[in-house]
Amino acid sequence: DIQMTQSPSSLSASVGDRVTLTCRASQRIATYLNWYQQKPGKAPKLLIYATSSLPSGVPSRFSGSGSGTDFTLTISNVQPEDFATYYCQQSYSTPQYTFGQGTNLDVK
Amino acid sequence: QVPLQESGPGLVKPSETLSLTCNVSGGSISSGTYSWGWIRQPPGKGLEWIGTVYHGGSTSYNPSFESRVIISVDTAKNQISLKLTSVTAADTGVYYCARRTNIAMIVGLPVFFFDSWGQGSLVIVSS
Repeated sequence: DIQMTQSPSSLSASVGDRVTLTCRASQRIATYLNWYQQKPGKAPKLLIYATSSLPSGVPSRFSGSGSGTDFTLTISNVQPEDFATYYCQQSYSTPQYTFGQGTNLDVK
Repeated sequence: QVPLQESGPGLVKPSETLSLTCNVSGGSISSGTYSWGWIRQPPGKGLEWIGTVYHGGSTSYNPSFESRVIISVDTAKNQISLKLTSVTAADTGVYYCARRTNIAMIVGLPVFFFDSWGQGSLVIVSS
């Protein structure tokens, strides 16, 4: 099984900050890494796929990078609507998928 | 985004079977373009992939659930379903159905992701 570990588990930021969230895979997964955003009481929303590709409608302040085992999600200029929990998910071992435990981004 | 809507009992007794359906709108699930998955989230915890069903009805399951899960597709009703047997309190949580999409990569295998999600169905396991 490929384990996904996210850090930190919680992060505080202010509007306008630049923040970086990290996801580490237990083995190399090339760039088969997706990110989701989840707000309280809502379903997750796809934020980034294949490490760095943004689906239509996702603001350009979100960006992703990495390869192999280490990946980052960066939010430049954090907006009020960005306070949420973020999950990474690997699809390298398709059809088996695993998610990280999440990083909660809250208001400082 | 394709509207997905989960439905089913919100309360299940221990040792019984959890049954949920997911109604897919806005397109036929038998088209073969997409696959369909179930993902759950225990209260206050993270996401856990349960399994995926393909348009032909074949399935892939998380080994953690494989002995007690069945995911199936009903193309006539445009629905997918989840059955989880012998439930315990640890199966309490929100259950999501989601559409699995793939994008071809220039090099390597396609990348798969879940790009449309239902609103989730809360299931509590309790006597």
